[in-house]
Amino acid sequence: DTEVTQTPKHLVMGMTNKKSLKCEQHMGHRAMYWYKQKAKKPPELMFVYSYEKLSINESVPSRFSPECPNSSLLNLHLHALQPEDSALYLCASSHPGLNYGYTFGSGTRLTVV
Amino acid sequence: ELKVEQNPLFLSMQEGKNYTIYCNYSTTSDRLYWYRQDPGKSLESLFVLLSNGAVKQEGRLMASLDTKARLSTLHITAAVHDLSATYFCAAQNTGNQFYFGTGTSLTVIP
Repeated sequence: DTEVTQTPKHLVMGMTNKKSLKCEQHMGHRAMYWYKQKAKKPPELMFVYSYEKLSINESVPSRFSPECPNSSLLNLHLHALQPEDSALYLCASSHPGLNYGYTFGSGTRLTVV
Repeated sequence: ELKVEQNPLFLSMQEGKNYTIYCNYSTTSDRLYWYRQDPGKSLESLFVLLSNGAVKQEGRLMASLDTKARLSTLHITAAVHDLSATYFCAAQNTGNQFYFGTGTSLTVIP
């Protein structure tokens, strides 16, 4: 298995809703990442988990809450989002310290109404 | 923080023509990656360049890395419509973090 699987592919949520994005990989990668990408912009790093521990939080608002239950799963819990949070959310994984780059998931297209 | 700049931001080229996209980065990085992204889709890995002088080729695309100049190039040969997409370079620091360039939106015109 050489893929990163993200669900759902599309999500529409109201500003008072609570939802979660899920990411799963079975490549044995021990680093996992959340990126946010707005239209026509490069991906922006949100969070990094290394060996299931949060190692980087790029000053992301608390309405985004990451969780790494085990080495294969990464969640992003969403609560009280704003319309400007609408974006493509990308999950990626890699071997920490090895030169193979990231494997990206297909992304979740999030729309906040 | 590692800063990565790409140019041009937008590129419109005719089929059959050649062109080069440039990627400059601000501090030492021995690892440089190129990705392709189609509209609304995720990032597809194209090339991984791991050392000075590295050159990789796949079809009509060729990527190179000059770590002394902190420059990577993506050369397109005899462009075809299927190459229309946004291309990102990304440099990796010692902390295993990626820093993406601004992206180059390529449109190949018949």
